[in-house]
Amino acid sequence: QVQLQESGPGLVKPSGTLSLTCAVSGGSISSSNWWSWVRQPPGKGLEWIGEIYHSGSTNYNPSLKSRVTISVDKSKNQFSLKLSSVTAADTAVYYCARGHTAAGTHYYYYYMDVWGKGTTVTVSS
Amino acid sequence: SSELTQDPAVSVALGQTVRITCQGDSLRSYYASWYQQKPGQAPVLVIYGKNNRPSGIPDRFSGSSSGNTASLTITGAQAEDEADYYCNSRDSSGNPHVVFGGGTKLTVL
Repeated sequence: QVQLQESGPGLVKPSGTLSLTCAVSGGSISSSNWWSWVRQPPGKGLEWIGEIYHSGSTNYNPSLKSRVTISVDKSKNQFSLKLSSVTAADTAVYYCARGHTAAGTHYYYYYMDVWGKGTTVTVSS
Repeated sequence: SSELTQDPAVSVALGQTVRITCQGDSLRSYYASWYQQKPGQAPVLVIYGKNNRPSGIPDRFSGSSSGNTASLTITGAQAEDEADYYCNSRDSSGNPHVVFGGGTKLTVL
C-alpha cells in the first residue's frame, strides 16, 4: 500500500524559499501517476500547487507558477517542492498526494487517492 | 481557468439524506472526485469517477453528475460524517491544471 510522507523545515523566513520533500513508500514513483502538492492555509480550503510525472513533466497553478518548482528524484523515490519569495500568505499545511487521470466512455476523471499526513509550514521572521 | 463552486455550509438531521453540490464548466468533461476532511486530518477520497468508492468508504456515500453539476449524496448521515467536503477535477479549458471547490462544511444535527 502506497504511503506518502512530507518532510522539511516548519519555519521559513519571509522572502526565503520553502523546500519540502515527499517520500513515496510501498510503491514506485515511476508508476503511471501524477504526484501533486496541495496546501491549506489556516481555516481555509484546499489549493492545488502543482504536479509532476516521473518523466519530469510538470503542471503548475497559474497563480503560483512564477514561484514554484517541483522536481522528482527517481533514485530516492521522492519528489520535492520549492516555493520562492515566501510571505505570510504562504503559511499553510502542505500535503503531497498521488493523482490519477484517465478517460472513461464519455467523461474523463481525475482523483487523488493517497495523501500524506501534511506538514505545517509557517512563514515568519 | 475553470472554477468549482460549492455551498459553504450544509446541515442534515441525523439519519437523513443530504446532497452536497459542486458546479463548474470542467464538470461537463470530468467526473468530480470528492474528499472528506475532518479537523486536523488530511483529506480522504470518498467518491471518484462515475460513482466509485475506495475501499473502506461506507456505501451511504454516492456520487452523481448532470451537466455542469456534480453531487455527493450521503444517505442516512451519521455523526461521524460531520466534516468538510471538497470536490475536485482537472480544468477542462485546455489547461491541465487541477482545481478544487471551496469546500462545504457539513453539520449533522
